[in-house]
Amino acid sequence: EAEVAQSPRYKITEKSQAVAFWCDPISGHATLYWYRQILGQGPELLVQFQDESVVDDSQLPKDRFSAERLKGVDSTLKIQPAELGDSAMYLCATQQLNTGELFFGEGSRLTVL
Amino acid sequence: RKEVEQDPGPFNVPEGATVAFNCTYSNSASQSFFWYRQDCRKEPKLLMSVYSSGNEDGRFTAQLNRASQYISLLIRDSKLSDSATYLCVVNNENDMRFGAGTRLTVKP
Repeated sequence: EAEVAQSPRYKITEKSQAVAFWCDPISGHATLYWYRQILGQGPELLVQFQDESVVDDSQLPKDRFSAERLKGVDSTLKIQPAELGDSAMYLCATQQLNTGELFFGEGSRLTVL
Repeated sequence: RKEVEQDPGPFNVPEGATVAFNCTYSNSASQSFFWYRQDCRKEPKLLMSVYSSGNEDGRFTAQLNRASQYISLLIRDSKLSDSATYLCVVNNENDMRFGAGTRLTVKP
């Protein structure tokens, strides 16, 4: 079982609805990433946090996606409104400082109908 | 051009075969490199880091060529359990970028 907790594991929604994903990182990991992975492709970076600050959100479609990590611990990723093309696995990962290793949660699989 | 490029495969090999995966990266300032393994519908997990001098972990050998901006992963004596997607990861100042992955299927 992954040490990074994500919820929900699965979400089915209709287009134009709002969706939210939650991530609880490994304690002490300051760097947190949200990735999107479409089936058959590699993870694509959406946003990177260092503590509560956004380091990189250049790939985040800001017209519909938002992310926050208010207290520098857990994080939420929101999509509003969801579109058909948003169907994917949303992965949260945190990084161990000394090795650079990423630890992933089990992901939240989104299906937009 | 993508930052990290991998041969997508798929690679279908018999048990016991040796198979090699390649990965190229575009940012010459990249600092560290990793290979991750991802099983079907599971999250990626670290397989091994890639060091400048090359490194080996059992049947797995990783090589880095900074001049050519190239990383490789060699798997010897393939096992059925090696069937997975192998992701090349490049770290640019803690901005971790993934390749699209190379799918490996090891058959009896």
